[in-house]
Amino acid sequence: EVQLVESGGGLVQPGGSLRLSCAASGFTLSSYWMSWVRQAPGKGLEWVANIKQDGSEKYYVDSVKGRFTISRDNAKNSLYLQMNSLRAEDTAVYYCARQLAPDYWGQGTLVTVSS
Amino acid sequence: QSVLTQPSSASGTPGQRVTISCSGSSSNIGSNYVYWYQQLPGTAPKLLIYSNNQRPSGVPDRFSGSKSGTSASLAISGLRSEDEADYYCAAWDDSLSGWVFGGGTKLTVL
Repeated sequence: EVQLVESGGGLVQPGGSLRLSCAASGFTLSSYWMSWVRQAPGKGLEWVANIKQDGSEKYYVDSVKGRFTISRDNAKNSLYLQMNSLRAEDTAVYYCARQLAPDYWGQGTLVTVSS
Repeated sequence: QSVLTQPSSASGTPGQRVTISCSGSSSNIGSNYVYWYQQLPGTAPKLLIYSNNQRPSGVPDRFSGSKSGTSASLAISGLRSEDEADYYCAAWDDSLSGWVFGGGTKLTVL
């Protein structure tokens, strides 16, 4: 059974940093593109970033370029999102998802940026 | 303002057929596959339709997808109360080099 479990969310002040993790199980992580998608409270879905199987290609939505970094450790079956210079508008539930076009999603982790 | 345009709401009575539209452009829907997601209240999104009109295993055949030019549609036949959810379309955008979602359609079963 495919499982994706996010962790690392929480309350952070504007300008702060946070690192999200996603533990993958039930499939071979190294065979799949992986994605992060977020959803602000009461709002729609917004794609954040993608990373290729070997980490050689990464894509980001314009609003996070230069601030967020997606990475992976296939040996540890883990996906990461390093978030720096956080802003209030980054407040959202962050979902880890399998595939470039997501087919499986985690349950999400809430990131709140507030002073 | 989402790159893909969906109606904010839709409704129907049990047993009815409803359709949800998704309008894009040549750089996204016009040149790439469309995907549809269902998000039940308080839960993570679930893949409903991939590659324009394919259903993952386990998705009832009451759900169907279609695409024509720069628009796509999701049809739900034999509407049931458990179909009440938010529905999102999505596609890769070649100009943005990124994944774009529609703003979502809240489906109410009356």
